Amino acid sequence: AQSVTQLGSHVSVSEGALVLLRCNYSSSVPPYLFWYVQYPNQGLQLLLKYTTGATLVKGINGFEAEFKKSETSFHLTKPSAHMSDAAEYFCAVSASSGGSYIPTFGRGTSLIVHP
Amino acid sequence: DAGVTQSPTHLIKTRGQHVTLRCSPISGHKSVSWYQQVLGQGPQFIFQYYEKEERGRGNFPDRFSARQFPNYSSELNVNALLLGDSALYLCASSLVSSSYEQYFGPGTRLTVT
Repeated sequence: AQSVTQLGSHVSVSEGALVLLRCNYSSSVPPYLFWYVQYPNQGLQLLLKYTTGATLVKGINGFEAEFKKSETSFHLTKPSAHMSDAAEYFCAVSASSGGSYIPTFGRGTSLIVHP
Repeated sequence: DAGVTQSPTHLIKTRGQHVTLRCSPISGHKSVSWYQQVLGQGPQFIFQYYEKEERGRGNFPDRFSARQFPNYSSELNVNALLLGDSALYLCASSLVSSSYEQYFGPGTRLTVT
């Protein structure tokens, strides 16, 4: 069984400030971890993913995330927020089950960016 | 290259009616998955299909069914609609069912009145 907890349904930052979106997971097997972004009335776009290897993962639009096995965390960060980063962000965990990968998503964190 | 496409974009149905949603995967992708996203929540897995066979099913009632066609496109059917079925229905495609990376379409917004 696998699950994802995203701490904070809303995160508010000022433009230019650090963005930190928190994600903790549980998985009975080594997980694959993902962050997706969803803009209003759109589908999900993959920001970045962790599969194996380097624990610091860089994604699109300046985002990065670090896999910390000891803390079962995969927090998303960006050094400087832009107004265009305002969106809903979803953390997801996926592990092989019968040869298929079915992701489990968190409830999402809404990022609000103030001018 | 075209991404995942879904139709219709929006639709409104009445309780008890039936609905069919359609999805075309990225060219070359053979696996399609369906998700339900209720407002304010993350997507919930409904089905996964690969080579026209069901490879996974989420915790949804039998009113929900799906199929995949020889061209790898897919339909999601929901019978006897309830108000609680109102949601954004997302389709995602991947190369094969064992691919961990999925590409999502824009979704179909279903409103049940």
